[in-house]
Amino acid sequence: KNQVEQSPQSLIILEGKNCTLQCNYTVSPFSNLRWYKQDTGRGPVSLTIMTFSENTKSNGRYTATLDADTKQSSLHITASQLSDSASYICVVRKTDDYKLSFGAGTTVTVRA
Amino acid sequence: KAGVTQTPRYLIKTRGQQVTLSCSPISGHRSVSWYQQTPGQGLQFLFEYFSETQRNKGNFPGRFSGRQFSNSRSEMNVSTLELGDSALYLCASSRDSGSENEQFFGPGTRLTVL
Repeated sequence: KNQVEQSPQSLIILEGKNCTLQCNYTVSPFSNLRWYKQDTGRGPVSLTIMTFSENTKSNGRYTATLDADTKQSSLHITASQLSDSASYICVVRKTDDYKLSFGAGTTVTVRA
Repeated sequence: KAGVTQTPRYLIKTRGQQVTLSCSPISGHRSVSWYQQTPGQGLQFLFEYFSETQRNKGNFPGRFSGRQFSNSRSEMNVSTLELGDSALYLCASSRDSGSENEQFFGPGTRLTVL
């Protein structure tokens, strides 16, 4: 079973609307959690990184939250733009061996 | 500063052949990691190299191997290719090996095995 589960698998939203992506993890011991954006045909680009003590982190219209107690994170996209159409991947790193666990990603499609 | 570069960008091979992929990290970065990405499995970690030494290894068969050179450039080799090896192979570099070092990904090499 994957240690990082993302939902929904895909979603379609209208330009200008907001959306929230979910990431639940069981990775332990936890070091940090990153959200990546991956455009089609390109490598992932880091949006945010959060450690155990951080609850929220923003990067422009992207805001990530982390609840380390429930092992849940979310990525909120505000006022979506066509360029937000991409796959969003949640990645969790362990403290002991630094290994990374990847979620399967959420594909976001923004329509005009 | 130039980003992570990967060559070739696209590759078509047949079953049984072997392939070598190349990755040049960002200048000053000493850690290079390799990942396989497929639609069904998502991103899967292959291995990480730091200062020419393999630091971490994922759960892939021995047909997948890699190495890192003294200039931090890295190569990944897949021998006896199988149809299931068709994937996007991504390389990522970071300044050091460790917890909060951000990884910067290259554009990937799209491998198709026929």
